[in-house]
Amino acid sequence: DIQMTQSPSTLSASVGDRVTITCRASQSISSWLAWYQQKPGKAPKLLIYKASSLESGVPSRFSGSGSGTEFTLTISSLQPDDFATYYCQQYNSYSRLTFGGGTKVEIK
Amino acid sequence: QVQLVQSGAEVKKPGASVKVSCKASGYTFTSYDINWVRQATGQGLEWMGWMNPNSGNTGYAQKFQGRVTMTRNTSISTAYMELSSLRSEDTAVYYCARGRGRQAKGLDYWGQGTLVTVSS
Repeated sequence: DIQMTQSPSTLSASVGDRVTITCRASQSISSWLAWYQQKPGKAPKLLIYKASSLESGVPSRFSGSGSGTEFTLTISSLQPDDFATYYCQQYNSYSRLTFGGGTKVEIK
Repeated sequence: QVQLVQSGAEVKKPGASVKVSCKASGYTFTSYDINWVRQATGQGLEWMGWMNPNSGNTGYAQKFQGRVTMTRNTSISTAYMELSSLRSEDTAVYYCARGRGRQAKGLDYWGQGTLVTVSS
């Protein structure tokens, strides 16, 4: 199985900061990577798919990049609504999915 | 609007089975896979498997092979996930989620989650 490793596991930041979260795959997954945001007690919300495609309705301060085994999610200017936990998720050709362990973005 | 509405919370004893339902509306049920993802309290997301509502084909995570069964009833646009031989470690919130592009374009709509508690 493909393993997904996210870093950091926790991130403390202030409103207006630029925030970057990294996700590494144990083997190449081309661009088959998605990012989700989850708030306490709620279902995850899709932010980015195919590594860099912004989901409809998601603010443009969110962006994704990378291919192969290394990927990043960037929030260009952190807003109060962005304090949440973020997960990466890979998809492989057998329609098998794996999530990363998550990154909690906290208020500094 | 697209909605996935799940059945209510369940309490089960160790060794029992649980069956969670996920009713879809607002789109053609047979056009998108349904995935199941679970989350233990304070833990991360764990993918369990997918089901194609058109064909009934399924794909399960290795961890759950032999213990999970995903089915559907197309006449009522409802997907089901049954997990057997429950143990305390299966206590979690279970989500259904729609897979776009056979999951290649992400899980774009999610149910509200169903809490399954396994306790003697």
